[in-house]
Amino acid sequence: DTAVSQTPKYLVTQMGNDKSIKCEQNLGHDTMYWYKQDSKKFLKIMFSYNNKELIINETVPNRFSPKSPDKAHLNLHINSLELGDSAVYFCASSLPGQGYRNEQFFGPGTRLTVL
Amino acid sequence: GENVEQHPSTLSVQEGDSAVIKCTYSDSASNYFPWYKQELGKRPQLIIDIRSNVGEKKDQRIAVTLNKTAKHFSLHITETQPEDSAVYFCAASISSNTGKLIFGQGTTLQVKP
Repeated sequence: DTAVSQTPKYLVTQMGNDKSIKCEQNLGHDTMYWYKQDSKKFLKIMFSYNNKELIINETVPNRFSPKSPDKAHLNLHINSLELGDSAVYFCASSLPGQGYRNEQFFGPGTRLTVL
Repeated sequence: GENVEQHPSTLSVQEGDSAVIKCTYSDSASNYFPWYKQELGKRPQLIIDIRSNVGEKKDQRIAVTLNKTAKHFSLHITETQPEDSAVYFCAASISSNTGKLIFGQGTTLQVKP
């Protein structure tokens, strides 16, 4: 039973292309996130949606556009891919506001390589 | 904005020894401090967390301590085992409906058998 799933697991593409990563969670959580993990392992939040509403939008280039069709899905579309976009992208979900704990459940990650 | 500093970046210990990873945070309003473990090629997973009104929390071989005045918190792993080898991330958050976590830079722990 997969809690948070992402597709694809690997994505290799040329500079300038447009690509999408999909994420789904079956935990019944209200909030979903996108993180970027660079080659130095640093985990940085990019976006967060709560019940389909954008609530966190960090300093991310406009080429990145998240979309949440419903609270169980959060997709990430990237236009005009650049070499620096190469990273592992993690989707996560949680139920913040439920007491103090905000355990975030991460997906398996999508390794994006831009050539 | 909130910033979390984590040290050391790498840590190598002998099996059975203890390991300590330290973090400092900048926003005094932070009140939730989780620790995540990420094994090679895997996803980060929560291993322990602490709230700001608690000074210490223990779960078997792992413990977390928090000094709210100094804005420091630490992860302690005792009797380390090779399967403890992973990257460990601390994080800080202000409990709210956004659930935003600010992560430290990560510590690569290697436990030598």
